[in-house]
Amino acid sequence: DGGITQSPKYLFRKEGQNVTLSCEQNLNHDAMYWYRQDPGQGLRLIYYSQIVNDFQKGDIAEGYSVSREKKESFPLTVTSAQKNPTAFYLCASSTWDRGGNEQFFGPGTRLTVL
Amino acid sequence: RKEVEQDPGPFNVPEGATVAFNCTYSNSASQSFFWYRQDCRKEPKLLMSVYSSGNEDGRFTAQLNRASQYISLLIRDSKLSDSATYLCVVLVSSNTGKLIFGQGTTLQVKP
Repeated sequence: DGGITQSPKYLFRKEGQNVTLSCEQNLNHDAMYWYRQDPGQGLRLIYYSQIVNDFQKGDIAEGYSVSREKKESFPLTVTSAQKNPTAFYLCASSTWDRGGNEQFFGPGTRLTVL
Repeated sequence: RKEVEQDPGPFNVPEGATVAFNCTYSNSASQSFFWYRQDCRKEPKLLMSVYSSGNEDGRFTAQLNRASQYISLLIRDSKLSDSATYLCVVLVSSNTGKLIFGQGTTLQVKP
């Protein structure tokens, strides 16, 4: 089955700790994205990557870091510098088609800071 | 002004009703438009893409009005299973693939 997987589904973190969220896709998509969603708000872009070994900051990159060492994987680290990290984190991927760019999402990770 | 605006609702309709959602966007250079469906505590799933003047998929019709910068989604013969939040999404840059999401419109279909 082709798709996007994220792990863990739920994550609890103490203040001051870094945590890494996993995102893997086997759709052979070039581009991958990380979003966060807060209650009653639209998704906001954290980071995105169009090709391996390259990534760009989105609108709310402060306190986050990413890597793209493999086409299939785009892990997100939430650092202790992120002031309000409790949120629903969604990873997405798409082909790199300038005529479309339909993004497909993984099931998400709910992060709670205790 | 938000880049993509939607009425959050909720829209409460009986089964079988026709319901329409509107969405406005601020960037006149936006090129592609999408409707996603999101169930409670789940990920968004692509419902429809809107590339030109509009398109239809079964009970769902999406329309685009570039002059007025709005997109609409029409659902005919509503089913209980249509209850969800519908996200209006705009591609603002084909170079980056950056999407802007509206906050969503919640639909509740009642028996």
